[in-house]
Amino acid sequence: GENVEQHPSTLSVQEGDSAVIKCTYSDSASNYFPWYKQELGKRPQLIIDIRSNVGEKKDQRIAVTLNKTAKHFSLHITETQPEDSAVYFCAASPFSGGYNKLIFGAGTRLAVHP
Amino acid sequence: NAGVTQTPKFQVLKTGQSMTLQCAQDMNHEYMSWYRQDPGMGLRLIHYSVGAGITDQGEVPNGYNVSRSTTEDFPLRLLSAAPSQTSVYFCASRLEGNTEAFFGQGTRLTVV
Repeated sequence: GENVEQHPSTLSVQEGDSAVIKCTYSDSASNYFPWYKQELGKRPQLIIDIRSNVGEKKDQRIAVTLNKTAKHFSLHITETQPEDSAVYFCAASPFSGGYNKLIFGAGTRLAVHP
Repeated sequence: NAGVTQTPKFQVLKTGQSMTLQCAQDMNHEYMSWYRQDPGMGLRLIHYSVGAGITDQGEVPNGYNVSRSTTEDFPLRLLSAAPSQTSVYFCASRLEGNTEAFFGQGTRLTVV
């Protein structure tokens, strides 16, 4: 089955710096890759996603890139702010499960220091 | 429009007890799913449903049962609770034709 690995597990940056989180997946047929942000004690919330027919997607300060050949995708956050501090999860959706089977990475705890 | 609502928020069970975690959504979403979240392991899919009367297993289904008698509700049953089921449980729903999953606020379950 699908397996998703996420790195790093913790990331500490200064306000204004960029942050990059990387994920690799095992199932080459996976076709949907969302990123979720979870603040302490809160529910996960979708921040950006990308489908397998797109190489890059951007939404203001966040962007996601996908390399299907290498089976990895990355989240890029520019001009980080203290409110970006949270745990970020990547996920992949195996083709066989449609969009219902999201396989998540273990998460990255991002700390943005003022 | 409350979104996805889970009850209870917190629960402590003794080993061997049974209970049902409730999940309800008022967005008329066809797809619903249950995840458990453990430290350092992300979210793992337990069971999911593509519509009333249809359910399927996820990554970690053992020890859990589900049913979907209505579009709105998707309860998760623990038949005989074990300490290994101590976790935070999230319910999520999605509208057909849309990829975004909306999560409930979670249920923190402790089995002693």
